[in-house]
Amino acid sequence: EIVLTQSPGTLSLSPGDRATLSCRATQSVSSTYLAWYQQKPGQAPRLLIYGASSRASGIPDRFSGSGSGTDFTLTISRLEPEDFAVYYCQQYGASVWTFGQGTKLEIK
Amino acid sequence: EVQLVESGGGLVQPGGSLRLSCAASGFTFSSYAMSWVRQAPGKGLEWVSTITGGDGRTYYADSVKGRFTISRDNSKNTLYLQMNSLRAEDTAVYYCANVRISAFDIWGQGTMVTVSS
Repeated sequence: EIVLTQSPGTLSLSPGDRATLSCRATQSVSSTYLAWYQQKPGQAPRLLIYGASSRASGIPDRFSGSGSGTDFTLTISRLEPEDFAVYYCQQYGASVWTFGQGTKLEIK
Repeated sequence: EVQLVESGGGLVQPGGSLRLSCAASGFTFSSYAMSWVRQAPGKGLEWVSTITGGDGRTYYADSVKGRFTISRDNSKNTLYLQMNSLRAEDTAVYYCANVRISAFDIWGQGTMVTVSS
């Protein structure tokens, strides 16, 4: 089973800053099957990025995804107050879906 | 409006059973694979199970295999999760979600399952 490790565990930044979140896999992941989610307290997760770099419907263009193989990145170009949340990466392979443990993006 | 609404959660004793439902609307339910994802209190997301749209193939996480059964009724636009032999570690919010290009696209609001004596 592929394990996803996200770093850092917590990221403290200010509105207007650029955020870079990492997701590393123990085996190569098809870019087609790598996704990112945002979750705010008390809410369901929301799909941000699928296929490693495609934005889901309604997602602002300040969110971008990149990477391939075992290393993937979610970048938020200029943080807005509503972007402070927990972010998860997720992969699919061999009929198994797995999530990373999450990165908490907090206000500095 | 695309919507998923879960129901059926509650308090159950260890070893007990519970059936969750997820009512879908606003999209062609039968065309999509559907999944259950759970989140224990204060923890991250854990995939539980997926069922394909047409032929109903099923997939399970090792943690629930043999205890949980996913099913769907395309005529009722409803997804189910039958949970048997429940354990304390099954305590979580259970979300249903539709699957698009192997990502979980639309999510319900979740239903809480608590396994405790």
